[in-house]
Amino acid sequence: NAGVTQTPKFRVLKTGQSMTLLCAQDMNHEYMYWYRQDPGMGLRLIHYSVGEGTTAKGEVPDGYNVSRLKKQNFLLGLESAAPSQTSVYFCASSYEGGGDTQYFGPGTRLTVL
Amino acid sequence: GQQVMQIPQYQHVQEGEDFTTYCNSSTTLSNIQWYKQRPGGHPVFLIQLVKSGEVKKQKRLTFQFGEAKKNSSLHITATQTTDVGTYFCAGPKTDSWGKLQFGAGTQVVVTP
Repeated sequence: NAGVTQTPKFRVLKTGQSMTLLCAQDMNHEYMYWYRQDPGMGLRLIHYSVGEGTTAKGEVPDGYNVSRLKKQNFLLGLESAAPSQTSVYFCASSYEGGGDTQYFGPGTRLTVL
Repeated sequence: GQQVMQIPQYQHVQEGEDFTTYCNSSTTLSNIQWYKQRPGGHPVFLIQLVKSGEVKKQKRLTFQFGEAKKNSSLHITATQTTDVGTYFCAGPKTDSWGKLQFGAGTQVVVTP
């Protein structure tokens, strides 16, 4: 039981490049989330999903897209990376929404030059 | 909008001392959760409080949920270097099902 995994762990991009971050969970959780964490800003929700085939915007969705084609996977895409997207990205999942405990992945440290 | 505030933002503690960090919500919460993030790590769930006035203990950590269910506290006794990290509180968002509203966290630094 791996819990929540994220790939890659680290990535450096140049401005304008694109990439996809992959999140996978093996706990059969319905809800999945993408957060970004910046110094002094806590965790900010980018997008989330309440089930396979569904996605919704969080607090800071601009510049990101997501897809949930399979229940266990949640992909975060950056179509044209900007330096402001330099951050640590965490994926999380929960069995239910509504304040259920969230389980976080190890994070992806992204630098955009 | 709904806000969850944590104070202090930073806490420097001498090893062996006690300290308390506070979490205040602008709205009444159905539950409150606490997470710990070690330096370079990811947030890890510590505990959930549901009842008004509830108190739960985990070894040297004592968690309390306020009577009005709008605030919470985390008290650590005899701080150890293993307590280093950032402690986040979080409560369900009242305007949107399925999401948590996280506080900005209290970063704890322990001096040996």
